[in-house]
Amino acid sequence: GQGVEQPDNLMSVEGTFARVNCTYSTSGFNGLSWYQQREGHAPVFLSYVVLDGLKDSGHFSTFLSRSNGYSYLLLTELQIKDSASYLCAVKMPNYNVLYFGSGTKLTVEP
Amino acid sequence: DPKIIQKPKYLVAVTGSEKILICEQYLGHNAMYWYRQSAKKPLEFMFSYSYQKLMDNQTASSRFQPQSSKKNHLDLQITALKPDDSATYFCASSLRDKNSGNTLYFGEGSRLIVV
Repeated sequence: GQGVEQPDNLMSVEGTFARVNCTYSTSGFNGLSWYQQREGHAPVFLSYVVLDGLKDSGHFSTFLSRSNGYSYLLLTELQIKDSASYLCAVKMPNYNVLYFGSGTKLTVEP
Repeated sequence: DPKIIQKPKYLVAVTGSEKILICEQYLGHNAMYWYRQSAKKPLEFMFSYSYQKLMDNQTASSRFQPQSSKKNHLDLQITALKPDDSATYFCASSLRDKNSGNTLYFGEGSRLIVV
């Protein structure tokens, strides 16, 4: 099967940062995406990476290491409204099939 | 205004019955998908369509049948419903090309409960 693993929960404090980890073991790889999902709502696209290294997009940054099957989503200057689930998804070579992790529920406390 | 419309938003069905989940997208995309999300499980890919043709199918059961009457429609017919089918079914769309294929736009989902 296709394995995309994420920790279930993460807690952090408003004004600081949070790093959401994702490891994957899949039969193919054509990029990795991050989505934000609030309770009872649809996933919303945040970022896509296919090359190794850090991609800085301001409030959200993403890191990828293909040799280690590892990515993280870094949220800086956290706000309470950043509390949500963050889903990691590996794109397979066969077009748009994405394999999602179970998501990490981030709770930002005051 | 929502660009991907799913109907119904909530649905309660009896075991053994048949239901159709409706999805229409107004983003001008040429690819549409169905994903399923059960409690505490990953978002699970089911089907992908491009220009009304089935491209990928990773649902084992033939009880799930996608139907595409127009390029911007992809409905999901589920027959002989079981309690294990209870989940939120998300429709999604994208442009089908190498550069934009990673950005899926999701509808708000149809939450199905089978009793």
